[in-house]
Amino acid sequence: DTGVSQNPRHKITKRGQNVTFRCDPISEHNRLYWYRQTLGQGPEFLTYFQNEAQLEKSRLLSDRFSAERPKGSFSTLEIQRTEQGDSAMYLCASSLGTDSGNTIYFGEGSWLTVV
Amino acid sequence: TQLLEQSPQFLSIQEGENLTVYCNSSSVFSSLQWYRQEPGEGPVLLVTVVTGGEVKKLKRLTFQFGDARKDSSLHITAAQPGDTGLYLCAGPLGSGNTGKLIFGQGTTLQVKP
Repeated sequence: DTGVSQNPRHKITKRGQNVTFRCDPISEHNRLYWYRQTLGQGPEFLTYFQNEAQLEKSRLLSDRFSAERPKGSFSTLEIQRTEQGDSAMYLCASSLGTDSGNTIYFGEGSWLTVV
Repeated sequence: TQLLEQSPQFLSIQEGENLTVYCNSSSVFSSLQWYRQEPGEGPVLLVTVVTGGEVKKLKRLTFQFGDARKDSSLHITAAQPGDTGLYLCAGPLGSGNTGKLIFGQGTTLQVKP
């Protein structure tokens, strides 16, 4: 499968624990995005990368959240000291990042439940 | 502040019925996209509309972009149970060709056999 891959697909963690999600974008896609989606809502933009550079972070991304894309390929999203309000689906997406190839492809998401 | 509002939020209909979902904003968008999302999965792009007044058809789905590029609609003819899902409209967030998107809150469609 050559789509956007995310893991783990589901994570249940206790409040206060740290969690990390991984995203493998479509090969050769320069741009990588992270979104968060809660039940009954549309996805909300968190951050995005152009190759290994993190170009923008939403104000939704508190200092407990950190994202990296060290080699411009896969990315990780870490949430430290999780809170119940962090429970959501975390979606990764990627695109070529060119004028002719900016279609965004989403992964299947990583569900986080904080108990 | 950019905002996309979808209506209705929930729709439960019988197979064979027609329906329309609306996506409205007070902001002008250079383009709008419609996605369909199934439970536990990521959104899948259905269509992108770019020109004001544009109409695009995808089998039984008809998408329209408002003349002023502030609104869009999705019309489904003769809905089938396989159309069940969350329908999301989205537009470019901010300026520049960054690919960042702002989404509406979605319309949950249930089509009963």
